[in-house]
Amino acid sequence: DARVTQTPRHKVTEMGQEVTMRCQPILGHNTVFWYRQTMMQGLELLAYFRNRAPLDDSGMPKDRFSAEMPDATLATLKIQPSEPRDSAVYFCASGLFGAGETQYFGPGTRLLVL
Amino acid sequence: GENVEQHPSTLSVQEGDSAVIKCTYSDSASNYFPWYKQELGKRPQLIIDIRSNVGEKKDQRIAVTLNKTAKHFSLHITETQPEDSAVYFCAATGRGGADGLTFGKGTHLIIQP
Repeated sequence: DARVTQTPRHKVTEMGQEVTMRCQPILGHNTVFWYRQTMMQGLELLAYFRNRAPLDDSGMPKDRFSAEMPDATLATLKIQPSEPRDSAVYFCASGLFGAGETQYFGPGTRLLVL
Repeated sequence: GENVEQHPSTLSVQEGDSAVIKCTYSDSASNYFPWYKQELGKRPQLIIDIRSNVGEKKDQRIAVTLNKTAKHFSLHITETQPEDSAVYFCAATGRGGADGLTFGKGTHLIIQP
């Protein structure tokens, strides 16, 4: 049963520190999404890639967030410097578009910025 | 951009009764509408989806209906069971799901024994 994996599962850091979250999409999937979930805002789209190319990052605070796909098996989301308001659960999802539209979510990274 | 409204925010029903959750969307170009179930501390999991060329879809106790003219869609769960207790999210997107999802705020469904 193929699943999206994310590391770390939990991260506690201090304000101003750099945070890197990693995602391994389901093998063969060509699209990767990053979402953020908070109690106040719910689930929000941050950015997404297709065939490793960024398609939309309009949901991301550009000054501190960056997303990349160094290769087809790894997507990263980086926050530098982190702030307390970045505390949230960050989900990665992947899908194979052109052969179905379902987005499969990873377990999430629970981030707490003190 | 797309805006998705979801109601109610909390729904409590007796075990065995039906539950209905409703969503509206704003972008007439949206054509893919999935529903996700999220248990506490877990990932969202797709339970059913519908495309704009279909008015209704069923999967055992779960059904989704779509009214394109009114721009609203609904999730129906029949014969509810304790394991149905969770938060349910509706979402919408264009290009058949190839784009990122815009989610509703979620409905906390509570099944009373």
